[in-house]
Amino acid sequence: AQSVTQLDSQVPVFEEAPVELRCNYSSSVSVYLFWYVQYPNQGLQLLLKYLSGSTLVESINGFEAEFNKSQTSFHLRKPSVHISDTAEYFCAVCTSGTYKYIFGTGTRLKVLA
Amino acid sequence: DVKVTQSSRYLVKRTGEKVFLECVQDMDHENMFWYRQDPGLGLRLIYFSYDVKMKEKGDIPEGYSVSREKKERFSLILESASTNQTSMYLCASSLEGVNLFFGSGTQLSVL
Repeated sequence: AQSVTQLDSQVPVFEEAPVELRCNYSSSVSVYLFWYVQYPNQGLQLLLKYLSGSTLVESINGFEAEFNKSQTSFHLRKPSVHISDTAEYFCAVCTSGTYKYIFGTGTRLKVLA
Repeated sequence: DVKVTQSSRYLVKRTGEKVFLECVQDMDHENMFWYRQDPGLGLRLIYFSYDVKMKEKGDIPEGYSVSREKKERFSLILESASTNQTSMYLCASSLEGVNLFFGSGTQLSVL
């Protein structure tokens, strides 16, 4: 069975500091990997995804994530965060060719001035 | 842009009431999903539909049913609402193998 683990429920960080949000998954088959962001009082929005190809994927607002097959990880990083990055971040996996997405429990990123 | 619209942002119902949550998407997606989101538990799949009149149970279908009579509309039904169904409900749609597009959510409170 697949599972997704986000070990950090909350991550406080000062503005302009780097941040890493951790995501580990378990699956015996090929998967797609996603990071979604949820701003207060909104639904989830796709931040970035890994389907195949280059293991490093980037978003338009400076986040990046690297697919590490040997460590079964897909950690999210940003070298310098802004106040506006304050949100909840969800990691998700989906088995290739299926409809079923498994979500982690989320990490609340709080950027402090 | 894909738009997924949920009919209500906030909803307050009484125990035992029948509750309908409506979701409409405008991008001709085959797949539609209903999740509930609870603090510390992330998102859990209630039901999904891969075509009109087709549905499959997710991880927590008990106490819920769904209806998909038209491709763009996917309804979640709570036959007899209970307090443990107080939650945020999120609708999503997708094409196969691609990311999910979410609505803004319905915060349901059952008193």
